[in-house]
Amino acid sequence: QVQLQESGPGLVKPAETLSLTCTVSGDSITSHYWGWIRQSPGKGLEWIANIYYSGTTNYNPSLKSRVTISADASKNQVSLKLRSVTAADTAVYYCAREKNNGYGEFYDFWGQGTLVSVSS
Amino acid sequence: QSVLTQPPSVSGAPGQTVTISCTGSSSNIGAIYDVQWYQISPGTAPKLIIYGNNNRPSGVPDRFSGSKSGASASLAITGLRAEDEADYYCQSYDATLSGYVVFGGGTKLTVL
Repeated sequence: QVQLQESGPGLVKPAETLSLTCTVSGDSITSHYWGWIRQSPGKGLEWIANIYYSGTTNYNPSLKSRVTISADASKNQVSLKLRSVTAADTAVYYCAREKNNGYGEFYDFWGQGTLVSVSS
Repeated sequence: QSVLTQPPSVSGAPGQTVTISCTGSSSNIGAIYDVQWYQISPGTAPKLIIYGNNNRPSGVPDRFSGSKSGASASLAITGLRAEDEADYYCQSYDATLSGYVVFGGGTKLTVL
């Protein structure tokens, strides 16, 4: 069974960098694309970025200037960095396994999510 | 504001049928891109319940069904059960700019 576990600080100060790691078990990150999605309190889901282990990446245009996604196949991990955070970046951050049937991406396995609060 | 539009809430009594709509545009649902649906229950990870417009992953009851027509899609849940009470999100792909994954704003389903 595929399992994903997000980890990272639960509290980040404004203007600093949010850093999260997703550790995958039960599957190799070399077999699929992997994505990060977030849900701000009281709001809907927002796609952040995706990556293939070889380095191919895609970003949400609204976040692209502040986001870096990376992958470490040796550790079977995918990571996310979000720079210059504000309170608007407070959210539950999910990592998920991505599939594509030729008509767009979708996510079939998700982590439990990790809440990151931005506050001084 | 989400790229895909969903009603904020729907409700139904046990045993009834409810539908949740998802409206997009010619750059996403109205193009070639499929629609997916996810269920989020309190304290749990999002669960994929419909992919490719109308396909159910293994283990998802056939009470859940999806459809797509033009730039809109719908999720139908028949024989409502208390455990269906959750938030439901549609998702597709949008070809504007460099292309990216898009979600609806979510619909809260209340089982009366």
